[in-house]
Amino acid sequence: DTGVSQDPRHKITKRGQNVTFRCDPISEHNRLYWYRQTLGQGPEFLTYFQNEAQLEKSRLLSDRFSAERPKGSFSTLEIQRTEQGDSAMYLCASSPTGGGLAEAFFGQGTRLTVV
Amino acid sequence: TQLLEQSPQFLSIQEGENLTVYCNSSSVFSSLQWYRQEPGEGPVLLVTVVTGGEVKKLKRLTFQFGDARKDSSLHITAAQPGDTGLYLCAGRSSNTGKLIFGQGTTLQVKP
Repeated sequence: DTGVSQDPRHKITKRGQNVTFRCDPISEHNRLYWYRQTLGQGPEFLTYFQNEAQLEKSRLLSDRFSAERPKGSFSTLEIQRTEQGDSAMYLCASSPTGGGLAEAFFGQGTRLTVV
Repeated sequence: TQLLEQSPQFLSIQEGENLTVYCNSSSVFSSLQWYRQEPGEGPVLLVTVVTGGEVKKLKRLTFQFGDARKDSSLHITAAQPGDTGLYLCAGRSSNTGKLIFGQGTTLQVKP
């Protein structure tokens, strides 16, 4: 297993368009997280899944954002009607369920630029 | 709402100097993880601390988890230019398992 994989690495889109990002977690990990990060700041939590169940969604997330993990494996994050403020790095991480030592590993991220 | 406060936010030092980064919260975490991130890449896990009072060493880096599991520190000895990057602490909620990040510390080590 090569770790968490995200696709695409970079996406440039026009304002108002929809975009979808994909995350493939480490295969035996049943938790999957999505974060958004702007330059020089810590990742901001968006949502997370345990298997196919979406356990929590940030209140900061508008209804233009939706995430799915239909079979408990890969996940998609869709942003509808993109705005310039959506420009950021979108990070995916996965971890096993369990106690404190359930370490989370990140993908390389998808850099979104809305023009 | 659980929050992690990281300090300082920015640090610019000369090669060979020592430094400490702090990560504080009023909440208890089941574990705390430290990551290092380079521009355009995802965070890379450095260490996880689980037990209150735990100290872990990774070459010139020393990580400590507070006795009450609410805070942590990262100490770098004899910093090198290759240590330059964004250092992030992340706490795992005892209740929900969610991973919460601090704001990050941008470290620049000048040769």
